[in-house]
Amino acid sequence: SQQGEEDPQALSIQEGENATMNCSYKTSINNLQWYRQNSGRGLVHLILIRSNEREKHSGRLRVTLDTSKKSSSLLITASRAADTASYFCATGDNQGGKLIFGQGTELSVKP
Amino acid sequence: GAVVSQHPSRVICKSGTSVKIECRSLDFQATTMFWYRQFPKQSLMLMATSNEGSKATYEQGVEKDKFLINHASLTLSTLTVTSAHPEDSSFYICSADHRQGAGEKLFFGSGTQLSVL
Repeated sequence: SQQGEEDPQALSIQEGENATMNCSYKTSINNLQWYRQNSGRGLVHLILIRSNEREKHSGRLRVTLDTSKKSSSLLITASRAADTASYFCATGDNQGGKLIFGQGTELSVKP
Repeated sequence: GAVVSQHPSRVICKSGTSVKIECRSLDFQATTMFWYRQFPKQSLMLMATSNEGSKATYEQGVEKDKFLINHASLTLSTLTVTSAHPEDSSFYICSADHRQGAGEKLFFGSGTQLSVL
């Protein structure tokens, strides 16, 4: 079953701009992860943030987590055409590895 | 890093045939693997949790007899789509729990695109 909602569903920006994607979830979580998927391909793990963390950085990626609002955001700074892909948030519980994915945001970065 | 291999990457079959998809953890043992299905432009839907040496746990709405899962070893789980029909056409992805931190990080296969004619 799906529990995450992401917005926007689609985002189109110019190269160099920042891209922000949001994710909301419904139940309590152990961690929240963000993944990237190129069309017709598998998933690439981007970043994991634990429920006791509020912000995390990895290169051009910045993730925030607000457990009181049950929401997270992914910021990609200085976007590149190669960032064009679908981005999914996924929540993990304490039951060992089961992930529930959000609906995803389709990001298009125009050169 | 840990690698999960999924095979085949693409399969086209006639309606009524069965298709087997393999998911292997190449450099680690995975007591738990997960199978997801993804329709075009949609998110990943968890189908079932595959447990080594025991029966798989299926999500609500997923037919056990339709999607047979076998996890006979710590490095291999298979998903068999039995008597496939066009509506089973989808992208199937597996993931394996590396046990680094109670499943905090999963490794995904590259997916299998199934097309049923």
